[in-house]
Amino acid sequence: GENVEQHPSTLSVQEGDSAVIKCTYSDSASNYFPWYKQELGKRPQLIIDIRSNVGEKKDQRIAVTLNKTAKHFSLHITETQPEDSAVYFCAASPSSGSARQLTFGSGTQLTVLP
Amino acid sequence: DTEVTQTPKHLVMGMTNKKSLKCEQHMGHRAMYWYKQKAKKPPELMFVYSYEKLSINESVPSRFSPECPNSSLLNLHLHALQPEDSALYLCASSQPLVEKLFFGSGTQLSVL
Repeated sequence: GENVEQHPSTLSVQEGDSAVIKCTYSDSASNYFPWYKQELGKRPQLIIDIRSNVGEKKDQRIAVTLNKTAKHFSLHITETQPEDSAVYFCAASPSSGSARQLTFGSGTQLTVLP
Repeated sequence: DTEVTQTPKHLVMGMTNKKSLKCEQHMGHRAMYWYKQKAKKPPELMFVYSYEKLSINESVPSRFSPECPNSSLLNLHLHALQPEDSALYLCASSQPLVEKLFFGSGTQLSVL
């Protein structure tokens, strides 16, 4: 099955700096890579996703890059703000017909210091 | 309606109790999921229903029994749980052939 590794487990940055979180995956059949943000006591919320036919995707201050050859993908947050503080999970999923089977990374606790 | 609604939000039960968790979505999604999340850990997949049929069971103990009565509802029946089953139980849904999973707010379960 798929195995997703995520680093670092904790990350502290000063407000306004950039944050980068990295993930690697093992299953070459995986073709969908979402990132979820989870604030304490709340649901995981999809913040950005990328498919394997795309190398990079941006949405305002958030970007994701994918290197299929190396089987790794990264989340980049620029101009960080205190409200970006949360746990971030990467995930990977192969194409599986009518349902998606996501395998999550272990999570990164991001703290943005004011 | 763009939400996945879960009830109850909190549940405390004894090891001999029987309880049910409920999940509802009205987005027309035909895949629904149960995940279990322990504190400071990622969600772990338990069950997947596709077109109201159980398609994936990740070797979950039989004290957890899922049910999908129709395309909008998903239940998780709980019986004879153990204290280690205490966790946040998340429901999610997605549209077939569309990747995005939407999560509910979860039920925080405590087993005494």
